[in-house]
Amino acid sequence: DADVTQTPRNRITKTGKRIMLECSQTKGHDRMYWYRQDPGLGLRLIYYSFDVKDINKGEISDGYSVSRQAQAKFSLSLESAIPNQTALYFCATSDWDRGDYEQYFGPGTRLTVT
Amino acid sequence: QQQVKQSPQSLIVQKGGISIINCAYENTAFDYFPWYQQFPGKGPALLIAIRPDVSEKKEGRFTISFNKSAKQFSLHIMDSQPGDSATYFCAASKTGGGNKLTFGTGTQLKVEL
Repeated sequence: DADVTQTPRNRITKTGKRIMLECSQTKGHDRMYWYRQDPGLGLRLIYYSFDVKDINKGEISDGYSVSRQAQAKFSLSLESAIPNQTALYFCATSDWDRGDYEQYFGPGTRLTVT
Repeated sequence: QQQVKQSPQSLIVQKGGISIINCAYENTAFDYFPWYQQFPGKGPALLIAIRPDVSEKKEGRFTISFNKSAKQFSLHIMDSQPGDSATYFCAASKTGGGNKLTFGTGTQLKVEL
């Protein structure tokens, strides 16, 4: 969905490096989410944000941090990447405040930590 | 802790057949149950969703059946087509809790000719 974009789409990095994944949306939604997808584990919530000043941890936030720079931008950082953070990362948005419970996902970032 | 259990992990169905994917949840506070469809290289996209006040919802060839007492819900794909080949995720959330989705582990569906 072009309304939610993620950069980069693919990234290979080394253990110990800091890396940032970026998400931008043009849908005007207040709520944004970061998920991680692993084979056999589904998607797991890392962090979520209800608005620029409201950021919350999800079920697997250890080793990650986020920044909500504006309504449209939500970045995920790995301060010191480790191999078990190799995964597919998705950003999503929702218009929950207006009664739309659907979450709109970006195309994903495939991250490999060597 | 897996709060939403999904089965089977993979499924092969012949063209024209019925695909059935099952999910079970534990948290009785969940009140929104969506199914997402994901094609390779793409993000998940909402396919169909149900609230617990109804036992079934149908949209075209896709039907959700919901059993509140058993805490189970399932996706039925009628007249399955090769274009339905994708990974399907069930999910659940508490709409009053900010719509944080808890996903199942996914089912990889392949529809063969």
